[in-house]
This record gives sequence, structure tokens and C-alpha cells, in this order.
Amino acid sequence: DTGVSQNPRHKITKRGQNVTFRCDPISEHNRLYWYRQTLGQGPEFLTYFQNEAQLEKSRLLSDRFSAERPKGSFSTLEIQRTEQGDSAMYLCASSLGTSAFFGQGTRLTVV
Amino acid sequence: DQQVKQNSPSLSVQEGRISILNCDYTNSMFDYFLWYKKYPAEGPTFLISISSIKDKNEDGRFTVFLNKSAKHLSLHIVPSQPGDSAVYFCAARSGGGADGLTFGKGTHLIIQP
Repeated sequence: DTGVSQNPRHKITKRGQNVTFRCDPISEHNRLYWYRQTLGQGPEFLTYFQNEAQLEKSRLLSDRFSAERPKGSFSTLEIQRTEQGDSAMYLCASSLGTSAFFGQGTRLTVV
Repeated sequence: DQQVKQNSPSLSVQEGRISILNCDYTNSMFDYFLWYKKYPAEGPTFLISISSIKDKNEDGRFTVFLNKSAKHLSLHIVPSQPGDSAVYFCAARSGGGADGLTFGKGTHLIIQP
């Protein structure tokens, strides 16, 4: 296992469409996080799973966003009815202890 | 409300010299601090961390200093190398390690040959 894997790396979608991203964490890591990063900003926390349980959600996560981690392994992040303001880099991270390790991210462009 | 602040958007340092990146925080509940390095089009790479019970942690060329009374931490890189050119993010967490990280906006470090 070489690290956290995210797919796709890039996604261009029309406004109003739904998109889904996938994250495969480091295999022994029980915690999985989603972040969003826009230009000139640091990553912003969206949500966190411990195993399959979603334990925390940021107020940034509107009701158009949903995340799952059904078997405590990979996770998906879905955005419904995308808006131009959703354009960002979506980052996944996993951890076992106190340090989180990030994937390369999915760059979403909403046109 | 920016709880983690990196007030220098960019920093230019000559190769071989020391790079010092600074970070301030406002939330007294933060108990763990991390530094990440990020190249364009890649995810952040973990560099070094420090618990609030310590004031220094060293790993090779990287040393992080924490001043709890001033709510300030810094990352020292010595000697600086061309491959160190990247954006550096300071991050903090509370809750004993499980909570999501709060990041600063980053400092773009440029190492001049």
C-alpha cells in the first residue's frame, strides 16, 4: 500500500450535475477525513469517519454533500446539484494516530 | 475567524541558509500541531508535528518550536535546499487527536540558488 488514493484526479462537470469522488485510505488506518481547498486557502475540514461511523461534519458540508464509508474501508463523497462555488480541490486523508496523511486530491471544476 | 494564522504569504531564502516559517493560533484548546508541505497539483505531505506538552521537536533538517504562552509555533529548515521550495501549511487540532485539522493559509517558500 503506497498511500491514500483518490479518484478521479480531475473532474469537469456542468452546473446542476451530480458528482462522486472516491478515496481509498491507507489500509490499516481507521480514521478518514475529507477536506476542501480553494485557491489561496488552506484545506478546510468537511467531515470525518472512524471506521464506518461518520462522527463529525463541518458546517461547510451543506445538504447537497453526502459522504459514506460503508465498510470502514474506502469512502465516497457525493455532491448533488453542483454549483460553481463547489469548484475546488477535494482532499482525503487517513490516520491511525495523531498525524494525517493526504491523497493527491480530486480537482473539481464546475462550468 | 482564522484560528490558525500564517501571516507571511511568501518567503525567499538563499540555498544553504536557514528558513523560518511562522504560525500563530488563537484557540487554547489546540493540543497538537503539524506542518505540511505542498507542491502544485499534489496533496499536502506530512513533515513534522509537535504535541502541546513539548516545546521542540526535531527531525533531520526540520525543527518545530512551540511557544504555548505566545500561541506561536515556527518551523526551521536548515540548511535550506532547492527541493524545499513549496507551500508550507501549519495545522492544529484539539480533542486528543481525532478531530479534523484547522489549517493556516500557507506560506510559499522559495529557495534561491
